[in-house]
Amino acid sequence: GDSVTQTEGLVTLTEGLPVMLNCTYQTIYSNPFLFWYVQHLNESPRLLLKSFTDNKRTEHQGFHATLHKSSSSFHLQKSSAQLSDSALYYCALSDPYQGGRALIFGTGTTVSVSP
Amino acid sequence: DPKIIQKPKYLVAVTGSEKILICEQYLGHNAMYWYRQSAKKPLEFMFSYSYQKLMDNQTASSRFQPQSSKKNHLDLQITALKPDDSATYFCASSQDGGADTQYFGPGTRLLVL
Repeated sequence: GDSVTQTEGLVTLTEGLPVMLNCTYQTIYSNPFLFWYVQHLNESPRLLLKSFTDNKRTEHQGFHATLHKSSSSFHLQKSSAQLSDSALYYCALSDPYQGGRALIFGTGTTVSVSP
Repeated sequence: DPKIIQKPKYLVAVTGSEKILICEQYLGHNAMYWYRQSAKKPLEFMFSYSYQKLMDNQTASSRFQPQSSKKNHLDLQITALKPDDSATYFCASSQDGGADTQYFGPGTRLLVL
């Protein structure tokens, strides 16, 4: 079956340092859509960015990710972490051609940024 | 105004009882979903509907039954509640296609005693 792997459960870092969250996936879909969702404490998940195109960098709100189909990866990066980046981050994939299909989420990575 | 409404926000139930979680979306979307999030498990897909038809069901238990009375409504009926059902239940919606962004509601936090 389809799956998404996020290896880090918790990432702690100091404000101003770079962030990199790992995401790899397995899927039967030849052209999956990959997403990063962010969930702040006591809030619901919201989309951070998404991609469908191989080897194309996608950016939003200072974060960026590049889908690499050759390595089935979609790592999330930011050059300089802010305190407000403290949140739970989920990588997810879906079938782009079928409506109403599930988002398959990874286990999530909690990011804690300290001053 | 909130675009996805979930009721109630908090719910306390007794083991063995039955509850209905309400979800309404005013985004004009054609697909709606239910997800569950608990301390033991991360976000977990439960059901999806597209144009009021069931598309995906990854909930093993028949105690969970989605109900779609209107295109913008997708309620979740849970029977014979167990303490393990304690979780936050999120409703989401999307325009339709798998590439479309799913927007999540504020969630219903269920505690089963």
